[in-house]
Amino acid sequence: GESVGLHLPTLSVQEGDNSIINCAYSNSASDYFIWYKQESGKGPQFIIDIRSNMDKRQGQRVTVLLNKTVKHLSLQIAATQPGDSAVYFCAEKNPSNTGKLIFGQGTTLQVKP
Amino acid sequence: GAGVSQTPSNKVTEKGKYVELRCDPISGHTALYWYRQSLGQGPEFLIYFQGTGAADDSGLPNDRFFAVRPEGSVSTLKIQRTERGDSAVYLCASSLGPLENGYTFGSGTRLTVV
Repeated sequence: GESVGLHLPTLSVQEGDNSIINCAYSNSASDYFIWYKQESGKGPQFIIDIRSNMDKRQGQRVTVLLNKTVKHLSLQIAATQPGDSAVYFCAEKNPSNTGKLIFGQGTTLQVKP
Repeated sequence: GAGVSQTPSNKVTEKGKYVELRCDPISGHTALYWYRQSLGQGPEFLIYFQGTGAADDSGLPNDRFFAVRPEGSVSTLKIQRTERGDSAVYLCASSLGPLENGYTFGSGTRLTVV
């Protein structure tokens, strides 16, 4: 069945370093992807999205890369800050399910001061 | 309102009881979504409304779960005969039109069935 998975459950980085969070997806038909950040006790917060006709998209301190050949998505955070500590989820949408996002299990990012 | 509001924020209920969880979407948002998040997991899709109608309810786990949105704004998720396995955070999100336009989540209702 469909699944979106993350390679590592926990990532620990030093403040100021760059972070890379990876995600593998299994449905090659997925046409839209989102990265979310979730802090304890809160709902997921949108970070950045990318459509399947793009390979890369940049935001403020964040970049998402999409490799459709190997069905891989990554989130790069530049100059990681303590406030970036949270759980990060990737999610995908299939064009036949216009309202449904499929989430991965999440990666916990810990930023050491 | 400014964001998606969910009430109550926490609900403890006894096994077998009926519960209702409420979601107030962002004003004007036509689409509303319910998800369930178990501890240590990503959110799992339950149901999606476009206006008053359920456009996709394929994620509802069984017939104990039901959701309504009678006026196209507030939605209520209803769970009958609750079981301990229903314990989770229930998240609501809304969007103006297609989800690609921006999908905003509320903080969720933490349901604990004892």
